[in-house]
Amino acid sequence: SQQGEEDPQALSIQEGENATMNCSYKTSINNLQWYRQNSGRGLVHLILIRSNEREKHSGRLRVTLDTSKKSSSLLITASRAADTASYFCATEVVYRSVNAGGTSYGKLTFGQGTILTVHP
Amino acid sequence: DGGITQSPKYLFRKEGQNVTLSCEQNLNHDAMYWYRQDPGQGLRLIYYSQIVNDFQKGDIAEGYSVSREKKESFPLTVTSAQKNPTAFYLCASSGGTGLAGPGGYNEQFFGPGTRLTVL
Repeated sequence: SQQGEEDPQALSIQEGENATMNCSYKTSINNLQWYRQNSGRGLVHLILIRSNEREKHSGRLRVTLDTSKKSSSLLITASRAADTASYFCATEVVYRSVNAGGTSYGKLTFGQGTILTVHP
Repeated sequence: DGGITQSPKYLFRKEGQNVTLSCEQNLNHDAMYWYRQDPGQGLRLIYYSQIVNDFQKGDIAEGYSVSREKKESFPLTVTSAQKNPTAFYLCASSGGTGLAGPGGYNEQFFGPGTRLTVL
């Protein structure tokens, strides 16, 4: 089942502007993560926000989480051409495995992504 | 260098053939995952493994098979039963945490992907 839905599907801005991407989900989660993917490459983890957190910062990234609305946003400030990529939100549900001795593992469900283009 | 590798980068398959995609990690991670990505889409989970000799089906396991004989390796076989196998395949791994820890807040580390095309 698709958990995360992202908006907009595509975003085109000029260098120096801020970029905001939104993510909505349907069921309870343990945390929400944002990933970046350059064209034809693997994904790179950007930031994780736990379900009991409301806002988190990392460099030029700001993530918010509203569990009552089941939504999150990713803000990239002062964007650069190098920020051009696809951005995915992923909701994580944590489960415990009896086979693995009770160790906790996360299962991610990804949204369809936002394609961000930053023009120099 | 620590990381996760996938091979080959590009793979071409004739209809009716099985092919195996390689995924290796030297991060000492317990959990490994296989995802499929179609153009303009997000990732969908095929199979995942929490520990050696154990794996579970994800959301779209039909037509795929995996094995986990070593901690470092999690190969994916795309069988002839998979009706639409042309896609970008991504492997990932994560560490997992014990019960005493904060509990499973794990980022996943991704390989560079394998692009499979059926001719």
